[in-house]
Amino acid sequence: GNSVTQMEGPVTLSEEAFLTINCTYTATGYPSLFWYVQYPGEGLQLLLKATKADDKGSNKGFEATYRKETTSFHLEKGSVQVSDSAVYFCALSPNNAGNMLTFGGGTRLMVKP
Amino acid sequence: GAGVSQSPSNKVTEKGKDVELRCDPISGHTALYWYRQSLGQGLEFLIYFQGNSAPDKSGLPSDRFSAERTGGSVSTLTIQRTQQEDSAVYLCASSLFLTEAFFGQGTRLTVV
Repeated sequence: GNSVTQMEGPVTLSEEAFLTINCTYTATGYPSLFWYVQYPGEGLQLLLKATKADDKGSNKGFEATYRKETTSFHLEKGSVQVSDSAVYFCALSPNNAGNMLTFGGGTRLMVKP
Repeated sequence: GAGVSQSPSNKVTEKGKDVELRCDPISGHTALYWYRQSLGQGLEFLIYFQGNSAPDKSGLPSDRFSAERTGGSVSTLTIQRTQQEDSAVYLCASSLFLTEAFFGQGTRLTVV
């Protein structure tokens, strides 16, 4: 079956530090890959996505590249802000399965001023 | 409305009672999903409705769980004979097929 594994948190960084949250997946075929973010007190929001190998998703300074050879979709940001403090979820959806998402366990990011 | 609306936002129920959770999707969205977020299991897919097709129920954990979507819009998730392990946040999402899913704020269910 499909599965997503992401690094456990919490990840604590100082403002302007470089962020990497690792995500690897197991799936048959060619899934779409996503990063969702859950800010305190808010619902899940799509942060970025990639639908095929070597695609790079980007949004709000965050980036992730779909690496089929390593089955990975690591999230990166060059300079985090306090406002980036949230829980980040990596997810996949099988090809043509819409948003039937398999999520990783989530990684809590805390950014200190 | 502007977003996916879920009600109630919080529900406390006694073990063994039935509960109904409601989801109002974004108008015009043909796809509707239910997920469950719990401490032990993380975020789990429960059920998926797409247009008039038969729903994909592959994620429902037991036959105590059921869901319907009336008129292609509002959906109700029903849990019968609730158990303590059903305590979780139940999330609803809607989308146009293959486009971004928008999530509601969820219903926090506590079974005592």
